[in-house]
Formats: sequence, C-alpha cells, structure tokens
Amino acid sequence: DAGVIQSPRHEVTEMGQEVTLRCKPISGHNSLFWYRQTMMRGLELLIYFNNNVPIDDSGMPEDRFSAKMPNASFSTLKIQPSEPRDSAVYFCASSSGTSGRVDTQYFGPGTRLTVL
Amino acid sequence: GNSVTQMEGPVTLSEEAFLTINCTYTATGYPSLFWYVQYPGEGLQLLLKATKADDKGSNKGFEATYRKETTSFHLEKGSVQVSDSAVYFCALTTGFQKLVFGTGTRLLVSP
Repeated sequence: DAGVIQSPRHEVTEMGQEVTLRCKPISGHNSLFWYRQTMMRGLELLIYFNNNVPIDDSGMPEDRFSAKMPNASFSTLKIQPSEPRDSAVYFCASSSGTSGRVDTQYFGPGTRLTVL
Repeated sequence: GNSVTQMEGPVTLSEEAFLTINCTYTATGYPSLFWYVQYPGEGLQLLLKATKADDKGSNKGFEATYRKETTSFHLEKGSVQVSDSAVYFCALTTGFQKLVFGTGTRLLVSP
C-alpha cells in the first residue's frame, strides 16, 4: 500500500499567485481530510469529504481557499490569491470510516508551502 | 466545545528513562481518544487509541488509559529510546470523523 500521496512536497511561491496542492488517498478509503499545521495555531482541520462530498468546511479560513474532490482517488486544495500568512505545512489524510464511526486517519507526508 | 490540553514541551529525557506526557480533554458526549506521533519531516501516525472509559491503548511499548473521571489520557512508556524522539499529539473525536488535536509535545531523548 502506497499510503496517502501528496504533491508537491515543497512549494515556494510569491504573494498573489495561485497555489494548488494535490492528494491521492489510500485506495478504498471514503473519507478525506485537509489539515494545516503552523507553529502559531497547531494542527487545524480545514475541510473533510465523505464519498467525495464536502461534509464540513467550517475550518476553511476564507474565500481564498477552496477544495474539491472530483473522484474517490483525487483531491485538490487551492489558494487564490496566496498570502504570506498561508505559509504552513498542509496535510491530507484519509480513512475508511463514515460519520458516526471512529476509524484511523492515515496522514500523507505533507506539503510545505512558503509564500514570499 | 471539544478541546485537548497537553503539557508544554520539550520533554528532555535520557535513554531508558520513564516517560509521561499528560493529556486532558473537554468534550460533549463520549469521545474516543488518540495519540498520534510525528517524526521529523513526516506526517502524523496513529500510535494508539481508546474508544471507551477504562480502555487501555498500547503500541510499541507506549500505553495510555482512558480515565473518564479525570478526563485524562496520559501517555506513558517505561523505557524510552533515542528513536522515540518526535512530537506527540493527543486528540479526540466524538464521531463524525472530526479529530480535535492538542498542541503537541516534543520529546527529545538523548543517548
């Protein structure tokens, strides 16, 4: 099993540019999560999907952030326009659970984003 | 709302010392509790979990017991190794897949 795959692993961009982060969940998992990790705020859940449908996006910081899951094997997190305060490590995680059940979330290696 | 409080780090120990990392929680309902570990440059990995009161989760020599009366889930290991150096996160969920994490505790183990 390849685990959760994220790309790119590192991204450096300039303020105002569009950034797209990608995630491939573990095959057969039906829940997908996007997290952001910073020194100041720790680990925050941004959004999660179940069966490709966004269930809770209350953690998305503002309209500059958007996430999609067009199929069971792919998700994107887009920031447009990017700002220096978006600099963080973004993690994708997947699980085989559904609402009401507790299943282990498996994390990808993360994308380290730096916005200059 | 739901929250998790962990002890401040870093925790610095010598190899073979006893480890305790404290974790307390506030939650509505009956949460499930987790410890995740993050090694440098990597994502989080589940270390252990407990889904109901008095359950003990264990893995790789680490243990934690779900204490409802004290709303705690302290992580312990009898003899730490240098390879245990990492950041440890306590987390909870009350279902609906949303994990709430603590701020993390960095453990540094020296030879």
